[in-house]
Amino acid sequence: DIQMTQSPSTLSASVGDRVTITCRASQSISDRLAWYQQKPGKAPKLLIQRASSLESGVPSRFSGGGSGTEFTLTISSLQPDDFATYYCQQYNTYKMFGQGTKVEIK
Amino acid sequence: EVQLVESGGGLVQPGGSLRLSCTTSGFTFKNSWMSWLRQAPGQGLEWVANINADGSDKSVMDSVEGRFTISRDNTKDSLYLQMISLRAEDTAVYYCARDVKGGIFDNWGQGTMVTVSS
Repeated sequence: DIQMTQSPSTLSASVGDRVTITCRASQSISDRLAWYQQKPGKAPKLLIQRASSLESGVPSRFSGGGSGTEFTLTISSLQPDDFATYYCQQYNTYKMFGQGTKVEIK
Repeated sequence: EVQLVESGGGLVQPGGSLRLSCTTSGFTFKNSWMSWLRQAPGQGLEWVANINADGSDKSVMDSVEGRFTISRDNTKDSLYLQMISLRAEDTAVYYCARDVKGGIFDNWGQGTMVTVSS
């Protein structure tokens, strides 16, 4: 199975900060990576697919990049609504999620 | 508006059974792959099972093989997960989701809690 590793596990930041979350795959998954945002007690929300394609309605401060085994999710200017947990997910073979990155208020 | 609503969760003893349902609206269910995913308390997300549009192709994760069965009724726009021989490690919030483009989950229900405990 392809393993997905996110870093960091927790990220403390302030409103207005630029933050980047990294997701690494144990083998190449091309661009078959999605990013989700989850708030406490809520279902995950799809943000990005195919590594860099923003879903309709997702603010442009979110961006994704990478291919192969290393990927990033960047929030260009953190807003109060962005404090949440973020998961990467590969869909190249099987469907595996990273362990999540909690973005908390500094 | 796309809506998915899970039901059927609850408290069950180890070895027991439950059937989860997911009723949908706002999209063409009969043309859509669907998945069940779960999230144990305080833990990450885990894909459990999926089913193709007409129900002829199904997959489940290894740890639930032989215990969980996914099915659908396209006349009722509904998805199901039959769970037997439940174990403590199956305790989780179970979500149904629309599965697009080979494994992207673009719409999710609110989840239903399954607790396996004596």
